[in-house]
Amino acid sequence: NAGVTQTPKFQVLKTGQSMTLQCAQDMNHNSMYWYRQDPGMGLRLIYYSASEGTTDKGEVPNGYNVSRLNKREFSLRLESAAPSQTSVYFCASSDAGDTQYFGPGTRLTVL
Amino acid sequence: QKEVEQNSGPLSVPEGAIASLNCTYSDRGSQSFFWYRQYSGKSPELIMFIYSNGDKEDGRFTAQLNKASQYVSLLIRDSQPSDSATYLCAVNTWDNAGNMLTFGGGTRLMVKP
Repeated sequence: NAGVTQTPKFQVLKTGQSMTLQCAQDMNHNSMYWYRQDPGMGLRLIYYSASEGTTDKGEVPNGYNVSRLNKREFSLRLESAAPSQTSVYFCASSDAGDTQYFGPGTRLTVL
Repeated sequence: QKEVEQNSGPLSVPEGAIASLNCTYSDRGSQSFFWYRQYSGKSPELIMFIYSNGDKEDGRFTAQLNKASQYVSLLIRDSQPSDSATYLCAVNTWDNAGNMLTFGGGTRLMVKP
């Protein structure tokens, strides 16, 4: 089992460019999450999907969109990247309980 | 706004000592509490979870929960330099869409040889 995988690992964008971060899990989990982590700060929830076909906003959703493509995959899209979106992005998944398992992260720099 | 608070540190302890990491939370309805360890440049990994008041031990790690005081802690016995990392406290919260975790800002632990 690969667990939670994310692509790409690193990305540099110019202001205004768009991109999609991909996340997939092979643990048959219902719930998936996107977080961002900034220096000195904890994880902040961007969007989550409690089950296939549903998505909801988290604490910091502005500037992002998500798609729950199927049970395995949950993507995060930046339509017009801004320097304030420079961060490390983590995808996570969980089963019927609370425990969340994290992917390796994507380091995004917006110039 | 549901909050989880941790001292950012760094908390510095000598090798072999007990490291004590603390966390307070605001949501009295929270039922599940987690400790994650995060090495620099890596993703968070689960160390322990605790649901009931009292202590829960797993190897060198002990989680302690006091729901009345809204306080959860993690003790690391016989601390090793490899324990040097940031420790994130997470607390479950419920909203209309389901169950989520709220994370604290993390405490950086440094274990000195």
